[in-house]
Amino acid sequence: EAQVTQNPRYLITVTGKKLTVTCSQNMNHEYMSWYRQDPGLGLRQIYYSMNVEVTDKGDVPEGYKVSRKEKRNFPLILESPSPNQTSLYFCASSLSPSSVYNEQFFGPGTRLTVL
Amino acid sequence: GNSVTQMEGPVTLSEEAFLTINCTYTATGYPSLFWYVQYPGEGLQLLLKATKADDKGSNKGFEATYRKETTSFHLEKGSVQVSDSAVYFCALSDRGSNDYKLSFGAGTTVTVRA
Repeated sequence: EAQVTQNPRYLITVTGKKLTVTCSQNMNHEYMSWYRQDPGLGLRQIYYSMNVEVTDKGDVPEGYKVSRKEKRNFPLILESPSPNQTSLYFCASSLSPSSVYNEQFFGPGTRLTVL
Repeated sequence: GNSVTQMEGPVTLSEEAFLTINCTYTATGYPSLFWYVQYPGEGLQLLLKATKADDKGSNKGFEATYRKETTSFHLEKGSVQVSDSAVYFCALSDRGSNDYKLSFGAGTTVTVRA
């Protein structure tokens, strides 16, 4: 089944404890992206990647890191989480960067709480 | 820059009622417009899309028409069901901006009662 998977689905952590949220897609997509969803704000893009070893900042990159060493994986790293990073996070992918203009496929989400 | 303004909710309806969710946009280039739906506990799914002016997107009884003159993309369904209860997001992507992303509205929570 073609899908985007994220792990963990739920995470409660404390301020300053480094964490990684994994994202993997099995559709051989070039483009991958991370969004965060907050009430009243919709989804906002954190980082995106147009291909392996190519990443760029989205609208709200502060406090996050990403890497794209393999085509299928795009982990989101919070080196020193803070309470304002408590949010619902979605990973998404598209066949190619230009395919973003047609459709993105979203993972099931990771609900992160930072105490 | 690009932005999407979406009707605020929550919206509560009875089954078989008519649903409209308003969406207007601002874009600098040539946007494609989308409606995504998020069912409880799930990720977002593409509901419908339109890539140029006057296009009508439709799926699962939902429709939306790309109106360039009013910069709008309102979502409609003639007779909702309980299973349509979800959060609906209007979004755009703008080829002219070359930013390769979706810009989302705030989302509208719809609850349909039996």
